[in-house]
Amino acid sequence: EGQVVESGGGLVHPGGSLRLSCAASGFPIANYWMHWVRQAPGKGLVWVARIDDGVGRTDYAESVRGRFTISRDSARNTLYLHMSSLRADDAALYYCVSDFTGFEDSWGQGTLVTVSS
Amino acid sequence: QSVLPQPPSASGTPGQRVIISCSGGSSNIGRDRVSWYQHVAGVAPKLLIYKTFQRPSGVPDRFSGSKSGTSASLAISGLRYEDEADYYCVVWDDSLRGYVFGSGTKVTVL
Repeated sequence: EGQVVESGGGLVHPGGSLRLSCAASGFPIANYWMHWVRQAPGKGLVWVARIDDGVGRTDYAESVRGRFTISRDSARNTLYLHMSSLRADDAALYYCVSDFTGFEDSWGQGTLVTVSS
Repeated sequence: QSVLPQPPSASGTPGQRVIISCSGGSSNIGRDRVSWYQHVAGVAPKLLIYKTFQRPSGVPDRFSGSKSGTSASLAISGLRYEDEADYYCVVWDDSLRGYVFGSGTKVTVL
């Protein structure tokens, strides 16, 4: 069974940048659509971005478009989320998800991003 | 960020049936399949329903999904204390070019 483990979260100032990583094991990430989903403290789940299982086509939530970039390194079997121009409302627990909404979906435990001066 | 309206809370006694609604539009629920997640604080969300009606292996048949027009529903039959959690619908929105979650419903077992 596949597993994903997120890392890279931490404290960043408003306007700063951060790169989240998601190391996958048990399956090749290049064969699955991979997603990032986040949950701000006390709020609901929010879909952030996805990358396809082929040429690397990407889609983003309106709130992060132009500031976040999802990418993958197939050789390292690792998914990334490059976040820039961070705002207070980007503070959240960020989950990496494979096969989101599919019957084989797999979620990590999340990595926490705090945006504060 | 758009969200699909869900009732903020629902409750029932053990054994009862609870139905959670998710209201959408023609660009999301009206044209695509709906999934439902169960989320307990501190634990990764769990997929309960995919492709509107389907249950992943291991999900009991007490959980069922349905859709009519631009609204979807999740029914929980034979309510159990372990069902206390937040429940979210999620669907692809063709206008937004992204997935949209419901606002979430907190289920309490009395």
